Amino acid sequence: AQTVTQSQPEMSVQEAETVTLSCTYDTSESDYYLFWYKQPPSRQMILVIRQEAYKQQNATENRFSVNFQKAAKSFSLKISDSQLGDAAMYFCAYRSHNNAGNMLTFGGGTRLMVKP
Amino acid sequence: NAGVMQNPRHLVRRRGQEARLRCSPMKGHSHVYWYRQLPEEGLKFMVYLQKENIIDESGMPKERFSAEFPKEGPSILRIQQVVRGDSAAYFCASSPDSNTEAFFGQGTRLTVV
Repeated sequence: AQTVTQSQPEMSVQEAETVTLSCTYDTSESDYYLFWYKQPPSRQMILVIRQEAYKQQNATENRFSVNFQKAAKSFSLKISDSQLGDAAMYFCAYRSHNNAGNMLTFGGGTRLMVKP
Repeated sequence: NAGVMQNPRHLVRRRGQEARLRCSPMKGHSHVYWYRQLPEEGLKFMVYLQKENIIDESGMPKERFSAEFPKEGPSILRIQQVVRGDSAAYFCASSPDSNTEAFFGQGTRLTVV
């Protein structure tokens, strides 16, 4: 079974600065998807960014980018120019490419605080 | 196109009562996933359903929990004889097929007193 580990329960960043959230995972599969989700106090799960394992190029969405290291099974999220609205829980998630359905395996989350 | 709708948003039940959580998927979506989020934890997969069929229930507790997705109407997650440990946020997600990313609802927070 796949596991996803987020080793940072809490992180703090100054507004306009850059922060990196860590995620590692364990799998025996070669083809899969990785995601970062944001969960603000409203509890809504918002997809931030997604990466296909077969793609070597790191995904980027505006101020959000990832550092995907397949051999190391590492998938970190970098948030540039942090804004107050970025404060939330962030969850890393894994999805197998092989299974029917797109069930996700989530990490335990990192709480990001943004200081004005 | 409304998003995934879950109701109620908040549900309080006494120990031993039944809890029924509803999920209306996005229009055109026939695949539904239920997840549970315990306090201070990530979401854990419970069950995957298509219309009238349970596809994968590997994350569902064997007793007291059941799920359905009838031909007409919302998907229902039912918890019988609730206990304090069932207190959690329950999320539903839906997708149009088994490969497309699923969209999440806002969850139902169940509190057992």
